[in-house]
Amino acid sequence: EIVMTQSPATLSVSPGERATLSCRASQSVSSNLAWYQQKPGQAPRLLIYGASTRATGIPARFSGSGSGTEFTLTISSLQSEDFAVYYCQQYNNWLLMYTFGQGTKLEIK
Amino acid sequence: QVQLVQSGAEVKKPGSSVKVSCKASGGTFSSYAISWVRQAPGQGLEWMGRIIPILGIANYAQKFQGRVTITADKSTSTAYMELSSLRSEDTAVYYCARGGWELPNLHFDYWGQGTLVTVSS
Repeated sequence: EIVMTQSPATLSVSPGERATLSCRASQSVSSNLAWYQQKPGQAPRLLIYGASTRATGIPARFSGSGSGTEFTLTISSLQSEDFAVYYCQQYNNWLLMYTFGQGTKLEIK
Repeated sequence: QVQLVQSGAEVKKPGSSVKVSCKASGGTFSSYAISWVRQAPGQGLEWMGRIIPILGIANYAQKFQGRVTITADKSTSTAYMELSSLRSEDTAVYYCARGGWELPNLHFDYWGQGTLVTVSS
């Protein structure tokens, strides 16, 4: 099983500043990685897929990078609506596994 | 506009089963896979399994093998997830989510609103 580890568990950042969230895979997942945002009481929302492609309607301040085992989600200038929990997810058709990280809570500093 | 609309909240006794539905609209139901993901209170996301309606093939996470059954009715564009032998640890919000069924498009682009299943004696 591929294990996804996100860091940090909680990140405190001021509005207008940059936030950098990390996700590490226990073995290579190539670029088969997505990022989701989840706000309290809501379903997750797709932000990034293929490690770096923004989903439809996602603002340009969200960017993803990485491949293999190390991935990063960067939010360039935090807006009030960006404070939420972020999950990375690997998808592997060969193993038929969709594994999520444990999440990073992005909170207002 | 793609929408996935799930059935309402359920309260179940330990040892019983629950069946949650997910009705799709605004897209081509059979061309995608529908996955089920659950989230226990205050916890993260856990993939349970998926179905590819056009193929009628379901795959399950090892953890849930033998206890979960995912089906789909193409005529009504509805997917179902049935979980049996319920225990208190199955208390969670259950989501359906749409994704492709081949790489590189296995990510989940649309999600249902979630269904709270509470298991309590």
